[in-house]
Amino acid sequence: GENVEQHPSTLSVQEGDSAVIKCTYSDSASNYFPWYKQELGKRPQLIIDIRSNVGEKKDQRIAVTLNKTAKHFSLHITETQPEDSAVYFCAASIGQAAGNKLTFGGGTRVLVKP
Amino acid sequence: GAVVSQHPSWVICKSGTSVKIECRSLDFQATTMFWYRQFPKQSLMLMATSNEGSKATYEQGVEKDKFLINHASLTLSTLTVTSAHPEDSSFYICSGRRGGSSYNEQFFGPGTRLTVL
Repeated sequence: GENVEQHPSTLSVQEGDSAVIKCTYSDSASNYFPWYKQELGKRPQLIIDIRSNVGEKKDQRIAVTLNKTAKHFSLHITETQPEDSAVYFCAASIGQAAGNKLTFGGGTRVLVKP
Repeated sequence: GAVVSQHPSWVICKSGTSVKIECRSLDFQATTMFWYRQFPKQSLMLMATSNEGSKATYEQGVEKDKFLINHASLTLSTLTVTSAHPEDSSFYICSGRRGGSSYNEQFFGPGTRLTVL
């Protein structure tokens, strides 16, 4: 089955700096790659996603890049703010062939220091 | 739109008892619902996939007789943890996927924290 690796597991940045989280996946059939932000004790919230027919997507301070050849995708947060502090999860899905399941990475705990 | 609720938000029970968790899609029809378990400081682990009107598909290592899933309608799925033990204490999260959608986006519930004494 699909396997998703996420790095780093923790990331501490100064307010205003950029944060980058990287994920690799194992199954070349994966075609959907969402990123979730989860605050302590709360539900994961979708912050951005990308599909396999696109190489890059941006939404204000957040961007995601996808390299299908290398089977990796990355989350970029620019001009970080203290409210960006949370745990971020990447995920990958093969789609209908695998019941539309999401396979999650291990998570990255991001701390933005004011 | 695309709101999912869960009930209860937290529950404490004695070892050996059963606990039922409800997951509802409030403003869309979820033909597929997913149940995840999340231990402290860990990622979400998929337990099972349930499709409305059919039996759930369990992930490897998840006991189907212990974690009973029912998806009787397009807006409601339930997870029953039978004969709960302390090692079942965890954060249980459901998600729903819109029926007829060609996309794989899942909408998550707020989670249920289960503590088994």
